[in-house]
Amino acid sequence: EAGVVQSPRYKIIEKKQPVAFWCNPISGHNTLYWYLQNLGQGPELLIRYENEEAVDDSQLPKDRFSAERLKGVDSTLKIQPAELGDSAVYLCASSSLTPNTGELFFGEGSRLTVL
Amino acid sequence: AQSVTQLGSHVSVSEGALVLLRCNYSSSVPPYLFWYVQYPNQGLQLLLKYTTGATLVKGINGFEAEFKKSETSFHLTKPSAHMSDAAEYFCAVSGVSDMRFGAGTRLTVKP
Repeated sequence: EAGVVQSPRYKIIEKKQPVAFWCNPISGHNTLYWYLQNLGQGPELLIRYENEEAVDDSQLPKDRFSAERLKGVDSTLKIQPAELGDSAVYLCASSSLTPNTGELFFGEGSRLTVL
Repeated sequence: AQSVTQLGSHVSVSEGALVLLRCNYSSSVPPYLFWYVQYPNQGLQLLLKYTTGATLVKGINGFEAEFKKSETSFHLTKPSAHMSDAAEYFCAVSGVSDMRFGAGTRLTVKP
């Protein structure tokens, strides 16, 4: 079974440029998460989807960040414009509601460097 | 709301020594508790989890953890450290909705 796939793995951009990250969850997983991981810290939730609905986006900085999950499968996280402080790893994870074991399955992450 | 505190951002042990990584949680509902491991430039991989039932749970790579409700703890242990155990370890708690992670503990294993 394929795991969570993220792309790109690495991205270097100049500040004020836009950037987008893509995530393909495990087949059949209804719930999809985007987490932000700063260097030396634990993941912090940005947004959680159940199917195509964003059920928790309270931590998403909506002035520059946006996300979508069309058709309830793949998801895209966008930053526009990027700032120096956005340099971090963006992790995508997915989980199944049935059965609900609570476990999250993570992709390898997309590492963003903003210059 | 749930939260996790990991005591010690960095733990160093000798190869063959006991590994003990500490985690305390706060949750308003019966928690699901997890330990994840992260190797450099990789995503998080589940080591073990506690949902219900037996409070001592065994995971991969010889790790285990014990859920102690009275102490609100879920410490991770391994009897004998191996060089390949060097990584970042995250404790996490899940309640009704999302999962909250601790800040992580970096484990170093000395030869």
